[in-house]
Amino acid sequence: EPEVTQTPSHQVTQMGQEVILRCVPISNHLYFYWYRQILGQKVEFLVSFYNNEISEKSEIFDDQFSVERPDGSNFTLKIRSTKLEDSAMYFCASSPTLTSDTQYFGPGTRLTVL
Amino acid sequence: QQQVKQSPQSLIVQKGGIPIINCAYENTAFDYFPWYQQFPGKGPALLIAIRPDVSEKKEGRFTISFNKSAKQFSLHIMDSQPGDSATYFCAASLTNAGKSTFGDGTTLTVKP
Repeated sequence: EPEVTQTPSHQVTQMGQEVILRCVPISNHLYFYWYRQILGQKVEFLVSFYNNEISEKSEIFDDQFSVERPDGSNFTLKIRSTKLEDSAMYFCASSPTLTSDTQYFGPGTRLTVL
Repeated sequence: QQQVKQSPQSLIVQKGGIPIINCAYENTAFDYFPWYQQFPGKGPALLIAIRPDVSEKKEGRFTISFNKSAKQFSLHIMDSQPGDSATYFCAASLTNAGKSTFGDGTTLTVKP
């Protein structure tokens, strides 16, 4: 069964450093998402992406964040200058169409900012 | 208006019990209500979902009850098993809008 994959599984970085989290969505999917889950808290929407542009973003997704689909398979989330409060699990998700309600989540990347 | 409130925060039942997790939403425009199951170290996985045109949906041991007028929906797990021990999230979304709004999550423990 096709699945969303994410790398790395765990990223440790120093405050102020840039990080890039990588996702490979399911191959025939068109809509891509990033969510964040701070330890012990709810899953929060960050951004949705379609046709090489951002469809919607939340208040969390400020100028420090950016997303990119650099090629036909990868979908990346960049945090330009990490803060302690960016420490969280970051989940990538994809869906085949906008009207397909099912979003398929990857296993997540645990980001630890020291 | 985008909030989804979930309760209880944690729940412990014996094997064979029927845990019930409740969610309430505010935005009446929401038209898709999924439940996700999350095991430690894994991403959320869709368990079951319902649309507001039906009051109940059952898939195996999992049932969603939906009360549109009260803006509430709940997950029932019949004959619960230790393998059901996980965190459960309700969510709500708008068709054609993509993003899901999640509840706070419920940590379920099913004791053998």
